[in-house]
Amino acid sequence: NAGVTQTPKFQVLKTGQSMTLQCAQDMNHEYMSWYRQDPGMGLRLIHYSVGAGITDQGEVPNGYNVSRSTTEDFPLRLLSAAPSQTSVYFCASSRDRASNQPQHFGDGTRLSIL
Amino acid sequence: GENVEQHPSTLSVQEGDSAVIKCTYSDSASNYFPWYKQELGKGPQLIIDIRSNVGEKKDQRIAVTLNKTAKHFSLHITETQPEDSAVYFCAASRAYNTNAGKSTFGDGTTLTVKP
Repeated sequence: NAGVTQTPKFQVLKTGQSMTLQCAQDMNHEYMSWYRQDPGMGLRLIHYSVGAGITDQGEVPNGYNVSRSTTEDFPLRLLSAAPSQTSVYFCASSRDRASNQPQHFGDGTRLSIL
Repeated sequence: GENVEQHPSTLSVQEGDSAVIKCTYSDSASNYFPWYKQELGKGPQLIIDIRSNVGEKKDQRIAVTLNKTAKHFSLHITETQPEDSAVYFCAASRAYNTNAGKSTFGDGTTLTVKP
């Protein structure tokens, strides 16, 4: 199993550009989530999904969209990039839908917005 | 909402010594408390967790204790080794209910184990 795979690992964007951060897991986990990590801070939840076709907002959802058409994939879309979205983004999954807490993380996408 | 405070922000210990990291939480309905280890350039890794019906849990050199009355929980690492050096995060959440999925994380503790 590859676990949770995130692409790209690094990305530089200009203000106003849009892009999609990819996340895929091969563990058949129902629960997936996106977090952002800023220097000296813990992880903040952006969006999460408890299964295909079901998504919900986390703590900091503004400026981001998600969809969950399959169990495996959970892409995060930046609609119009802003410098405040410069961060490291982590995708996570969990085998336990009942607990809905992140258990497996990808290695992150480091995003810079100029 | 939930608020999690983690202390200390940095911790330096000598190899072989013990390390303790403490977190406090505000939501008395929180019932799930995981700990994550994050190495440089990597994503967090779940290392141990505890649920509110348990006071202590051990896994080899690591242990977690929970005091529901005081609303705090701690990570204990014994016989520290250089490979324990990393950033450790605590989190708290209301797992197993309709509001599940919204973990609140502490700001992290950078642990350095000196050989």
